[in-house]
Amino acid sequence: SYELTQPPSVSVSPGQTASITCSGDKLGDKYACWYQQKPGQSPVLVIYQDSKRPSGIPERFSGSNSGNTATLTISGTQAMDEADYYCQAWDSSRYVFGTGTKVTVL
Amino acid sequence: EVQLVESGGGLVQPGGSLRLSCAASGLTFSSYAMNWVRQAPGKGLEWVSGISGGGGSTYYADSVKGRFTISRDNSKNTLYLQMNSLRAEDTAVYYCAKVLVTMVRGVVKGCYLDYWGQGTLVTVSS
Repeated sequence: SYELTQPPSVSVSPGQTASITCSGDKLGDKYACWYQQKPGQSPVLVIYQDSKRPSGIPERFSGSNSGNTATLTISGTQAMDEADYYCQAWDSSRYVFGTGTKVTVL
Repeated sequence: EVQLVESGGGLVQPGGSLRLSCAASGLTFSSYAMNWVRQAPGKGLEWVSGISGGGGSTYYADSVKGRFTISRDNSKNTLYLQMNSLRAEDTAVYYCAKVLVTMVRGVVKGCYLDYWGQGTLVTVSS
């Protein structure tokens, strides 16, 4: 079965750039998306179709996908961005989630 | 505004059954595929099951195939998940979610979950 791997944690200083990677076999041949989940809340879609932002998502969130790796970039990270982030791809009519990354804003 | 509200969670003994519901509003419900996703305590997201807008196509994760059944009633704007033969490892918050699709030249190339409910907790324990 298809698997997506993320680093367990990423730390970033306020105002700096955070990059979260998501690795999977030929992931670049699929479309990837990213969800943000804060404690006690439901996930929120922040990037879809590799790099598109849903309405209401700040411009500081961006995404890319090539080769075996998709990347979520948070530019000018704010304290409110501290959360768990999950990548996801669609493979053979199944939704595959990444292992999740906890972003800490120090 | 799209709203998804789950209900039906609770405490159930191993081997028991439970039916979850997800009431949808603010959208043409029958036009969208829907999914169930779960999250065990302190763990990541796990896709459980999906159903097409008309209900004619259903999909299941291997971990629940043969035990769970997804269905929908488009006249009631409601999604369901019938869970049988429940196990301790099924303990989780269950979310329903609406599907957003990317199509390229008439072919589905990507599916994402753009609206989520608040979740309902299912605890399987004796």
